[in-house]
Amino acid sequence: KAGVTQTPRYLIKTRGQQVTLSCSPISGHRSVSWYQQTPGQGLQFLFEYFSETQRNKGNFPGRFSGRQFSNSRSEMNVSTLELGDSALYLCASSLRQGAVNYGYTFGSGTRLTVV
Amino acid sequence: KNEVEQSPQNLTAQEGEFITINCSYSVGISALHWLQQHPGGGIVSLFMLSSGKKKHGRLIATINIQEKHSSLHITASHPRDSAVYICAVKEEIQGAQKLVFGQGTRLTINP
Repeated sequence: KAGVTQTPRYLIKTRGQQVTLSCSPISGHRSVSWYQQTPGQGLQFLFEYFSETQRNKGNFPGRFSGRQFSNSRSEMNVSTLELGDSALYLCASSLRQGAVNYGYTFGSGTRLTVV
Repeated sequence: KNEVEQSPQNLTAQEGEFITINCSYSVGISALHWLQQHPGGGIVSLFMLSSGKKKHGRLIATINIQEKHSSLHITASHPRDSAVYICAVKEEIQGAQKLVFGQGTRLTINP
């Protein structure tokens, strides 16, 4: 059973550019959540998608957005990149049935460097 | 004050020692997770707890819902256990769920 796949693994972008990261969940998992990890702030919740709908959003500016497709794959987009957006971006998929979430499986992450 | 507090932040021990990492939280939760992160970033979910105790190999996790406290224990520690261990609580409000993370405990086991 394939795990959670995040692409790309590494990315270098320039301030002001935009970036799109991809996350393919485990087959059958319909919930995908995104997290940002920085040395200063640790791991922080960005958003969760379930059945192509954003169910919850963390405390991040509107430059951070996402979407989920009918096959449950999810993308997150960061526009007008800032140096402070340099981080490891992790996604996790889970088998969610109604309101119940049965644990999380994390991807290896995308390490974004903004220069 | 963070919603999820872990202690200690750093822990160095000798191979074979019994390890305990603590997690306290201040919010209502539906579950608590213990995660392991190795250098390079990949995160592995070790346990999901909503009550009591779970054991997997040399790892034991306990949770006390009334005291809002959880512990992760490692018996007969080994250098390959060296990693960052992260406690995360699942908050659920009107069907919307999110994980809130502790700052992590960096564990180093010396041979």
